[in-house]
Amino acid sequence: EAGVTQFPSHSVIEKGQTVTLRCDPISGHDNLYWYRRVMGKEIKFLLHFVKESKQDESGMPNNRFLAERTGGTYSTLKVQPAELEDSGVYFCASSPSGKLISYEQYFGPGTRLTVT
Amino acid sequence: AQSVTQPDIHITVSEGASLELRCNYSYGATPYLFWYVQSPGQGLQLLLKYFSGDTLVQGIKGFEAEFKRSQSSFNLRKPSVHWSDAAEYFCAVVRGSQGNLIFGKGTKLSVKP
Repeated sequence: EAGVTQFPSHSVIEKGQTVTLRCDPISGHDNLYWYRRVMGKEIKFLLHFVKESKQDESGMPNNRFLAERTGGTYSTLKVQPAELEDSGVYFCASSPSGKLISYEQYFGPGTRLTVT
Repeated sequence: AQSVTQPDIHITVSEGASLELRCNYSYGATPYLFWYVQSPGQGLQLLLKYFSGDTLVQGIKGFEAEFKRSQSSFNLRKPSVHWSDAAEYFCAVVRGSQGNLIFGKGTKLSVKP
């Protein structure tokens, strides 16, 4: 069974540019999460999809961030325009549906975003 | 508000020595707790979890953790550390009924030969 994959693994962009990160969850997992780790800080929740619907986007920092999950499969996270403070590692995680099993999240390797 | 504290940022142990990584949580009800490990260049891998029942839980790679409600702790232990255990370790708790995780800042483990 393939794990959670993320693309690209690393992206370097200039301030003001746009970047789109992609996450492919484990096949059949309805729950998809985005997290971010800024250097020196803890990993923080951004948002949660259940299938194609946004269940919780309380962690999104501002309206420069837009997440989509078309057809309930892969997800994209777009940052437009990027700012220096957006630099960090963006993790995607997925989990199946079910009361307790849904809490067991499987993480991708992350995308390291550097904004210069 | 829920929170997770990992008081040790960096720990160095000798290979073969025992290991204990500390984790304290703040949560009103019974928490769902996790330990994840991130090896260099890898994603986060689930080591073990606690939902209910036996407070001593076993995980992969020879790790175990003990839930102590009275101390609000969920410390991770391993009796004999291997060089391949060098990584960063994260303690996490599920936030309410939402399902997303609240993480500690992580503890980086170095292993001396």
